[in-house]
Amino acid sequence: GEDVEQSLFLSVREGDSSVINCTYTDSSSTYLYWYKQEPGAGLQLLTYIFSNMDMKQDQRLTVLLNKKDKHLSLRIADTQTGDSAIYFCAERTGFNKFYFGSGTKLNVKP
Amino acid sequence: GAVVSQHPSRVICKSGTSVKIECRSLDFQATTMFWYRQFPKKSLMLMATSNEGSKATYEQGVEKDKFLINHASLTLSTLTVTSAHPEDSSFYICSASTPEPDTQYFGPGTRLTVL
Repeated sequence: GEDVEQSLFLSVREGDSSVINCTYTDSSSTYLYWYKQEPGAGLQLLTYIFSNMDMKQDQRLTVLLNKKDKHLSLRIADTQTGDSAIYFCAERTGFNKFYFGSGTKLNVKP
Repeated sequence: GAVVSQHPSRVICKSGTSVKIECRSLDFQATTMFWYRQFPKKSLMLMATSNEGSKATYEQGVEKDKFLINHASLTLSTLTVTSAHPEDSSFYICSASTPEPDTQYFGPGTRLTVL
């Protein structure tokens, strides 16, 4: 089956940039997504990128996609304590199925 | 943005009883809804895909007689956990997909605890 991998933890200081990485295996993925999950809550869509793009910027968020290496990253500029959460990347395959990574827990230290 | 609600947010029930969870898309029509289960500190596991007016498609290993899914309208899908047991305790999350862009919006989740 499809495999989406992320590192489990990332710790940064407030004001620094955070970079969360993700690799996926399905080369036919059409969209790739980043979701944020705060404790005890559902998933909030942060941003998405179409597979024929290599970069998308949305305020403090920058998504980079390297389709050749099947590597996706999310950069959060000027990270704040409110950004502490679990971040999931997900790919949408041609069968309209979503596969999620295991999530990266971002801890922002004041 | 697209909003998806779930009800209830928390439910505690006795072993052997059935529990119904509702998922609603509030400001859009969702032809497809998805049900996920999330274990502690784990990713989401897709349980089933539900299309309005047709039978749900269950993922391998998910018992369709235990997890009954009904998608009666374009804005409502329900998941009923029948004869619940403690191992069914989990966080259940639904999502609804929109055609443009083709993405999923998630509900806030339902914490089910079976005693």
